[in-house]
Amino acid sequence: QQPVQSPQAVILREGEDAVINCSSSKALYSVHWYRQKHGEAPVFLMILLKGGEQKGHDKISASFNEKKQQSSLYLTASQLSYSGTYFCGTSNTGKLIFGQGTTLQVKP
Amino acid sequence: NAGVTQTPKFRILKIGQSMTLQCAQDMNHNYMYWYRQDPGMGLKLIYYSVGAGITDKGEVPNGYNVSRSTTEDFPLRLELAAPSQTSVYFCASSKKGQGNEKLFFGSGTQLSVL
Repeated sequence: QQPVQSPQAVILREGEDAVINCSSSKALYSVHWYRQKHGEAPVFLMILLKGGEQKGHDKISASFNEKKQQSSLYLTASQLSYSGTYFCGTSNTGKLIFGQGTTLQVKP
Repeated sequence: NAGVTQTPKFRILKIGQSMTLQCAQDMNHNYMYWYRQDPGMGLKLIYYSVGAGITDKGEVPNGYNVSRSTTEDFPLRLELAAPSQTSVYFCASSKKGQGNEKLFFGSGTQLSVL
């Protein structure tokens, strides 16, 4: 079953923060986060495994609450380069199913 | 390493025609995947494979076929192209499955069915 992302779209000014949420109705083994620029392939950001861990990648971090079957991606002090569409992917078997995406636009 | 290579990059098909989208990886990855992405939408899993000779359906398998005769190659076959199959197709691979390894994506094939 496809995970649900919220919000669908976010517009920020440079330096502002944003949170993107990903929730699933099924128990999760892991959550992936990817970013896709227009006309390009998705690029890996991070994986979170069961255990409620938090990870960071530059000024982008994420948390995973397996009991709530939710993950959140935190973008702090956003830069123009953060613009793109963010996808979470969830797995409880061998296959990775992606959410519908959250479009982030960072303006100067 | 070239990573994941997809060919062709662009293709226009007429309704009812057939074609094969090629995907090859040189990272000795066991898992390979085919996704489609409609304009402005997310990635939908078509088929995936956990190793040579083993394939399984994803979310949207109808109208497609796959085979995995070698570890390196995972072609996707469209038998009777329909306008609904107009999309960008991404092939991806990972060393292991179970969601604990990142996916490496190819650059995509943009397919139009007219």
